[in-house]
Amino acid sequence: AQSVTQPDIHITVSEGASLELRCNYSYGATPYLFWYVQSPGQGLQLLLKYFSGDTLVQGIKGFEAEFKRSQSSFNLRKPSVHWSDAAEYFCAVAPYSSASKIIFGSGTRLSIRP
Amino acid sequence: GAVVSQHPSRVICKSGTSVKIECRSLDFQATTMFWYRQFPKQSLMLMATSNEGSKATYEQGVEKDKFLINHASLTLSTLTVTSAHPEDSSFYICSARQLGGNTDTQYFGPGTRLTVL
Repeated sequence: AQSVTQPDIHITVSEGASLELRCNYSYGATPYLFWYVQSPGQGLQLLLKYFSGDTLVQGIKGFEAEFKRSQSSFNLRKPSVHWSDAAEYFCAVAPYSSASKIIFGSGTRLSIRP
Repeated sequence: GAVVSQHPSRVICKSGTSVKIECRSLDFQATTMFWYRQFPKQSLMLMATSNEGSKATYEQGVEKDKFLINHASLTLSTLTVTSAHPEDSSFYICSARQLGGNTDTQYFGPGTRLTVL
């Protein structure tokens, strides 16, 4: 069955430090991959998505993610975090198309240390 | 990007009553919308797929008679939680699929916080 794993429940980094959030998926073929951010009590905002092509994807707010087929991973990175980046981050996959069912990972809560 | 709204943003109701949540695509037509539920500190779980002009498709374990979905127009889907109970308290999020040309994307609404007393 398709699944998405985010192994880190909670991460704290210092403001200005680099960030990497891990995501692994389990699926027979290459799914469509997404990263979303959710601020407390808010809906979801799409940070970036990967369908095909260049495996390094640039997103909004200075985020990027790299698709590694050999590792079934799609890790999210940011070179320098800002206090406003504190939020919940969800990795997600859509097995068949970008607008089919989206399966979400369990989320990683990011806290920023001043 | 496209905008999806939900109304109300928060609702508190008594146990046994029914609550309707609206999901609207404001600047595009959506033949397909999705309803998710998110419990505190948990991920989003897909409840059902709402198709304009036809019956919704429910995920395993979701009671279709309890969570009534109506997608009567290309810009509006409604979720009605019937005979709500405290365990139905959750954050309900909808998304709408924008399809056309090179576009095939889901856009998410801001969510509705339901509290059942």
